[in-house]
Amino acid sequence: AQKVTQAQTEISVVEKEDVTLDCVYETRDTTYYLFWYKQPPSGELVFLIRRNSFDEQNEISGRYSWNFQKSTSSFNFTITASQVVDSAVYFCALRTQIYTGGFKTIFGAGTRLFVKA
Amino acid sequence: GAVVSQHPSWVICKSGTSVKIECRSLDFQATTMFWYRQFPKQSLMLMATSNEGSKATYEQGVEKDKFLINHASLTLSTLTVTSAHPEDSSFYICSARDPASGSTGEQFFGPGTRLTVL
Repeated sequence: AQKVTQAQTEISVVEKEDVTLDCVYETRDTTYYLFWYKQPPSGELVFLIRRNSFDEQNEISGRYSWNFQKSTSSFNFTITASQVVDSAVYFCALRTQIYTGGFKTIFGAGTRLFVKA
Repeated sequence: GAVVSQHPSWVICKSGTSVKIECRSLDFQATTMFWYRQFPKQSLMLMATSNEGSKATYEQGVEKDKFLINHASLTLSTLTVTSAHPEDSSFYICSARDPASGSTGEQFFGPGTRLTVL
């Protein structure tokens, strides 16, 4: 069965600190996609990244970076030099194809990040 | 970034009625749109992928006859919650993929629609 675990329910940091949000997934499929989304207090979701299972290269986008480790089934997200505007709920998700040919997307419960000035 | 709108932003309806939610891409043509549902304790669910001119692809466990999706044009997708009941009360969010984003999979989200069924 597919599963996504975001063990950190809430994280609080002070501005300029680095913070890593953990995401551990479970699937028996060899082909899948992993995602990260941000939901700021305004409520509007923001897409951050999509990574397919065959691309294990780490990704950096500005202050954001992602570490995909297939060996540990993890897709962790790091924010460098955090800012107050980074305060949000962050969701990790796993998308796999099911035996009927359809798809199933599983979201983690989300990690609420508070960045204090 | 690309802009996606949703209408209405909130709706209250009586049990048994149907409610239609619109999702529009304002400054780009979206061949693919997505519908999500967010439950009260923030958990998210992808309901379906909507492709312009073809039937929507529903995620496992989503009732197709309950949640009707139509993507009649490159800028509009609609979600109709049929015979709504209180358990359908939720925050419904759409997103659209801009083909110009290439293979990144980037989606642009609407502001969401809060549905309350009495």
